[in-house]
Order: sequence, then structure tokens, then C-alpha cells
Amino acid sequence: ETGVTQSPTHLIKTRGQQVTLRCSSQSGHNTVSWYQQALGQGPQFIFQYYREEENGRGNFPPRFSGLQFPNYSSELNVNALELDDSALYLCASTPSISERGYGYTFGSGTRLTVV
Amino acid sequence: ELKVEQNPLFLSMQEGKNYTIYCNYSTTSDRLYWYRQDPGKSLESLFVLLSNGAVKQEGRLMASLDTKARLSTLHITAAVHDLSATYFCAARSNSGYALNFGKGTSLLVTP
Repeated sequence: ETGVTQSPTHLIKTRGQQVTLRCSSQSGHNTVSWYQQALGQGPQFIFQYYREEENGRGNFPPRFSGLQFPNYSSELNVNALELDDSALYLCASTPSISERGYGYTFGSGTRLTVV
Repeated sequence: ELKVEQNPLFLSMQEGKNYTIYCNYSTTSDRLYWYRQDPGKSLESLFVLLSNGAVKQEGRLMASLDTKARLSTLHITAAVHDLSATYFCAARSNSGYALNFGKGTSLLVTP
């Protein structure tokens, strides 16, 4: 059973640029969520995808967008990067809500630095 | 909005001592999670608590849940250096979408 894998592990971007982060969910998990963790803080929920549709969103602006693919992998896209977007981005997968699965498996994260 | 508060935020304790980390949440939640995070690493799942009165133990760590008080605790028994890390609690919103995390408790165990 494979876990959640994220790529890239580290990334440096310039303010104003766009970035795409990728996540492969754990086998058997069809729900993927993304979190932003600023230095010294707890993770903050960005959004969640289930069956290729966004079905929940946190308090993040529209320049944060995502996709989920038929194989349940997911992308997080951030446009017009700002310095405050520098953070660790974590992807988590879980069995579907309807199955009342409770295990959230987190990937190792992507460390994004905006300069 | 579901808010989660942890205390203390920083904890320095000697090896062999016991201590408790507290996690309060503001509104009804159906699940409470505890995670460990080492510096620069991802979140490692420790416990999932599903019902009132739930108690789970793994090694020197024991977690409990009181849904009426909206309180979870993580008790550390006879701390060892390897337990040094940041510990997060997270409550799941009843919508089923998000985990709402506390700010974390940074634990340092010293000789």
C-alpha cells in the first residue's frame, strides 16, 4: 500500500509567478484535501476534492485553485504568488466521506518559498 | 466556525516526568485527531478519537476525549527525548470537509 506522495519537495518562485503542486493519493482513497502550513503555525484548510469536484473550501482567495483527476491524484495551483504564500503545502487523502472513513494520510509536503 | 485551541504552546520537560497537553474546540465535532510533526517533516497520525469517553494509548502517549466539555487531552508518561516534537490536535468539522488544527504544542524533553 503506497502512501501519499507530493512533488516537488522544494520550490522557489518569484512574486507574481504561478505554481503547480502535485499529489498522488493513497491507494483506495478518493478524497484529497490541501492544507497550507506557515512557519510556526498549524495547517490551514485550503480545499477538498471528491470525485473530481471541489466539495469544500477554506478561507483562501480564488487564486488558489485545484484539480482532481480520475485516478484521484490532485493538483494545487496558485496564481499571482505573494510573499505570504511561502509555506509548507500538505496534501491529505482519505476514504470518501460517505464511507465514513476517518483516516487522513498526509504527504511529506512541498516547501514553497516566494521571493 | 470551529476553532481549536491548544495549551501550552511550548513545553519543556525533564525526562521521566509526566505532563498533559490540552485541546479545546469551540463547536460540535465528530472526530478529534492528534498528530506529531518533527521539524521540516509532515504530520504523523497518532490518534483518532471518535466518541465521548474514548481513550487510546500508544507507548508513553495516551489521548482522551470529552465531547461534552469539548476537550481532548494528550498525556505524556515518563517522557523521553525521542518524544521531542510539535504535537497538533485537530477537530473535524461536521460538514466533513476540513480538519481544523490548533497552533501546536512544541515539546522539548531534556535530560
